[in-house]
Amino acid sequence: QVQLVESGGGVVQPGRSLRLSCAASGFTFSSYGMHWVRQAPGKGLEWVAVISYDGSNKYYADSVKGRFTISRDNSKNTLYLQMNSLRAEDTAVYYCAKDKGQGDYGDLNAFDIWGQGTMVTVSS
Amino acid sequence: EIVLTQSPATLSLSPGERATLSCRASQSVSSYLAWYQQKPGQAPRLLIYDASNRATGIPARFSGSGSGTDFTLTISSLEPEDFAVYYCQQRSNWPPGYTFGQGTKLEIK
Repeated sequence: QVQLVESGGGVVQPGRSLRLSCAASGFTFSSYGMHWVRQAPGKGLEWVAVISYDGSNKYYADSVKGRFTISRDNSKNTLYLQMNSLRAEDTAVYYCAKDKGQGDYGDLNAFDIWGQGTMVTVSS
Repeated sequence: EIVLTQSPATLSLSPGERATLSCRASQSVSSYLAWYQQKPGQAPRLLIYDASNRATGIPARFSGSGSGTDFTLTISSLEPEDFAVYYCQQRSNWPPGYTFGQGTKLEIK
């Protein structure tokens, strides 16, 4: 079945780095846009980043621009989020999500499959 | 940045009643509006995309309507499993990005 499994979360000190991974299965990963979405404890959803099906287009939320990098390896069916210069306010559950659309940014409108999430805690 | 405002923040209803949830955008989002359901400890689930299209496997009691700046999610007759938090979400043309509303908690009365 269609599945996304995140990994790589944990506790990290402010200013340090962490890389999250998201392993995809059950669909043609290389055909779909992919996202990272986060949720701070007890708070709502915040979109983090999107990458097009072929990795040619990437966009970020202002809150992470210049610190986080989204990437993908279509040969490994895996999505990544490299997080640098982490701050306390980055503490959240991080979800990877598949977009319903298969084209470039203009076709990516809704997140139809979600992983179970991985917790990132930034604390000294 | 387009801001999505959901109302009410909390909605208290009984099973079998009709639920109407609102999402208002600070500027037009055309029909690029989606709705999600999230239960405690779970990932969100897509209910509605492009304002009015039900996602795969979503029961017919869920429906979406609206365009431009005003959108509605309607649950025609509440089932016990429908009590959860609901979020709307939009995609911006420029600057590129997505935003979620702050959520509506649907609780049992």
